[in-house]
Amino acid sequence: KAGVTQTPRYLIKTRGQQVTLSCSPISGHRSVSWYQQTPGQGLQFLFEYFSETQRNKGNFPGRFSGRQFSNSRSEMNVSTLELGDSALYLCASSYDSTRAEAFFGQGTRLTVV
Amino acid sequence: QQPVQSPQAVILREGEDAVINCSSSKALYSVHWYRQKHGEAPVFLMILLKGGEQKGHDKISASFNEKKQQSSLYLTASQLSYSGTYFCGTENISHFGNEKLTFGTGTRLTIIP
Repeated sequence: KAGVTQTPRYLIKTRGQQVTLSCSPISGHRSVSWYQQTPGQGLQFLFEYFSETQRNKGNFPGRFSGRQFSNSRSEMNVSTLELGDSALYLCASSYDSTRAEAFFGQGTRLTVV
Repeated sequence: QQPVQSPQAVILREGEDAVINCSSSKALYSVHWYRQKHGEAPVFLMILLKGGEQKGHDKISASFNEKKQQSSLYLTASQLSYSGTYFCGTENISHFGNEKLTFGTGTRLTIIP
């Protein structure tokens, strides 16, 4: 079965712009989590969506938002981009919750200039 | 609260054993272990639930010490393919239910021939 698909793979944006990243989970998976990965910081949890509802949220500013659609696909939006937002953004899908095995996508590499 | 992993990095010769530790300052419900190779998505290794269990497959196993609020990942007779960064993710228990999965900053394991 197809894995987790994230688009686009690479993105270059200018400070102040906004960006939308997309994540298509494995078919049948209802939970989608988003993480920011930067060197030295590991995986920082952004938020988790389950059946179109945000179930958990990390400690990121309100510029970071997300949503999940009825087909479980999820989008993450970052507004008013800052240089520090440059990172690899990973999404992970699982069947039910964070207690189940999560499958990660290849990520979207965002560079803010 | 981000779990603390130790060591931060380790270099081993093929065939040697390694232990990676993951400690939490709060009561643990579960510990998740993932391995990420350079340029790739993290891949699930195993989940351990509270109850002090031990799990393993092939030459990779892990233990969960609920009292000490820590988990250890054991890699025996390491192979070149074990190289990568290992992340532990912890799910803590709180009054409001279990908290979101939080990852440590990772342990970089390098296996040399």
